[in-house]
Amino acid sequence: NAGVTQTPKFQVLKTGQSMTLQCAQDMNHEYMSWYRQDPGMGLRLIHYSVGAGITDQGEVPNGYNVSRSTTEDFPLRLLSAAPSQTSVYFCASSYFGAGFDGSYEQYFGPGTRLTVT
Amino acid sequence: SQQGEEDPQALSIQEGENATMNCSYKTSINNLQWYRQNSGRGLVHLILIRSNEREKHSGRLRVTLDTSKKSSSLLITASRAADTASYFCATGFQGAQKLVFGQGTRLTINP
Repeated sequence: NAGVTQTPKFQVLKTGQSMTLQCAQDMNHEYMSWYRQDPGMGLRLIHYSVGAGITDQGEVPNGYNVSRSTTEDFPLRLLSAAPSQTSVYFCASSYFGAGFDGSYEQYFGPGTRLTVT
Repeated sequence: SQQGEEDPQALSIQEGENATMNCSYKTSINNLQWYRQNSGRGLVHLILIRSNEREKHSGRLRVTLDTSKKSSSLLITASRAADTASYFCATGFQGAQKLVFGQGTRLTINP
């Protein structure tokens, strides 16, 4: 199993440009999520999905869009990049059972380092 | 806002010593997880402890949970250079459908 894969590893954007960060997992996990990691801020949840066709906002959703058309893929779209979106982005996946209480191990991808100039 | 806060923010010890990191949280939880992140890499799950458990062990790791004080600690015994990493706690809540991560403790093991 490849686990959770993310592409690209690095990206530089100019302010106003748009792009899509790709995330895929081959573990048949229902739950997928996107985090951003900034120095001294830990991980902050951007969006998450509990299954194909179901997404919801996390703590910092503004400026980002997601969709989940398949179980395997969960792309993150930056609509109009801003310097404040310079960060490292992590995708994660896990099982999701009824009454989910965060008790499943999250599997993380290697991250995408994004710089917006 | 972050739910968990790790303490200390940074810790530097000699190889072979024990390392203790603490996590405090604000609201009642169902479970708490600890993750490790090596520099430039994704997070890796270490251990999960449920709210009805007080202590769990995994190899050289020992995690405690005190729900009355809303705090958890991670002890790494007989530290090795390979333990150099950042360590994060993450809290889970019934029906919340998400984990909330703390800011992390950066651990450095000196040879």
